[in-house]
Amino acid sequence: AQSVTQLDSQVPVFEEAPVELRCNYSSSVSVYLFWYVQYPNQGLQLLLKYLSGSTLVKGINGFEAEFNKSQTSFHLRKPSVHISDTAEYFCAVLNTGGFKTIFGAGTRLFVKA
Amino acid sequence: DTGVSQNPRHKITKRGQNVTFRCDPISEHNRLYWYRQTLGQGPEFLTYFQNEAQLEKSRLLSDRFSAERPKGSFSTLEIQRTEQGDSAMYLCASSPRGRYNEQFFGPGTRLTVL
Repeated sequence: AQSVTQLDSQVPVFEEAPVELRCNYSSSVSVYLFWYVQYPNQGLQLLLKYLSGSTLVKGINGFEAEFNKSQTSFHLRKPSVHISDTAEYFCAVLNTGGFKTIFGAGTRLFVKA
Repeated sequence: DTGVSQNPRHKITKRGQNVTFRCDPISEHNRLYWYRQTLGQGPEFLTYFQNEAQLEKSRLLSDRFSAERPKGSFSTLEIQRTEQGDSAMYLCASSPRGRYNEQFFGPGTRLTVL
């Protein structure tokens, strides 16, 4: 079975500051890793994904994440945040060859002016 | 590609009533998934279809819940005798054949049971 732990439920940050949202996962098999963003009363939008290959993955809106197999982590980073990045961010895993995506509980990013 | 659509976007009902939600996946996506998201939590898997076959159901899906995808295109999720604990956002996603590691999510249906 897989599980996902997002280590921070809320992250307040000032505009133009860097941010890191932390994610650790647990799995006995190979997994794909994802970060999604959710704006209020909307569905999930894929930010980026790790399937294989380079451990540094770049996504939309200037976000990137690094897969660390030894630490079973997949932290999300952005060097300079904007007010519009205020949203809920979800880390997720999918068993390769599986069908059920397992989500973390989410991290609320709040960007202050 | 118009994306995954869900209707209605919001539903308010009284306890004990039946409700039905619809999901239209992206055209030619053969896998369709349903997830439930309660306040402050991440989405939880409910069930999925490959074409018209329902291949897996979570234990979260009690006997009051039923999902169908009769022609392998749109899907419906019905909740009978709703309870206040059913209040949640119900999300639908779809995946194209051969790219099942990609799930495209719809905007969700928010259910409020009074």
